Amino acid sequence: DAGITQSPRHKVTETGTPVTLRCHQTENHRYMYWYRQDPGHGLRLIHYSYGVKDTDKGEVSDGYSVSRSKTEDFLLTLESATSSQTSVYFCAIAKRGELTDTQYFGPGTRLTVL
Amino acid sequence: GQQVMQIPQYQHVQEGEDFTTYCNSSTTLSNIQWYKQRPGGHPVFLIQLVKSGEVKKQKRLTFQFGEAKKNSSLHITATQTTDVGTYFCAGPSGSARQLTFGSGTQLTVLP
Repeated sequence: DAGITQSPRHKVTETGTPVTLRCHQTENHRYMYWYRQDPGHGLRLIHYSYGVKDTDKGEVSDGYSVSRSKTEDFLLTLESATSSQTSVYFCAIAKRGELTDTQYFGPGTRLTVL
Repeated sequence: GQQVMQIPQYQHVQEGEDFTTYCNSSTTLSNIQWYKQRPGGHPVFLIQLVKSGEVKKQKRLTFQFGEAKKNSSLHITATQTTDVGTYFCAGPSGSARQLTFGSGTQLTVLP
């Protein structure tokens, strides 16, 4: 599973509270991604990183920020959590496969915003 | 931007029946990838198709990539309870190895 861990695995928080989710990888991959997964919407890209301190917005970036100060860590922050951000969050890395890059996912973080 | 549509959203089958999910992209794709997510789990890469008209098999699973490289399908023959999960297709988008995922097909296999 490309050595990807996410923490915390579960979190319940209140509206207006800041929340930071961590993704950690052990294989020195350059590209990392944060997705959210909601019923009927599949996996939607929030932010991605193409190197240390190099990040960019994805499809659903409003209300989220990210940071990558080290290759192995990619942090996702909800500055002021809202109920619409209740979701399952997956981190992923891109890894060279047989033909092109494919993505490997972490175990996910289930976030509930009350 | 690029859109990847997948149908059906849900499918219930009796064990032993066949199952097919279809994926359509709004743009031509250089390759298409398929992932499976078991209930409570994370998406796991299954296979990648790169050639127009390509067909690949993994045991009871058959993957096809359309001639125009804008559509794909996954067919499971004689489903088993181990096939339960959500199947996603995904196409490359952007310059940082991003993928655009379809909304997925959730397969339930009734014993």
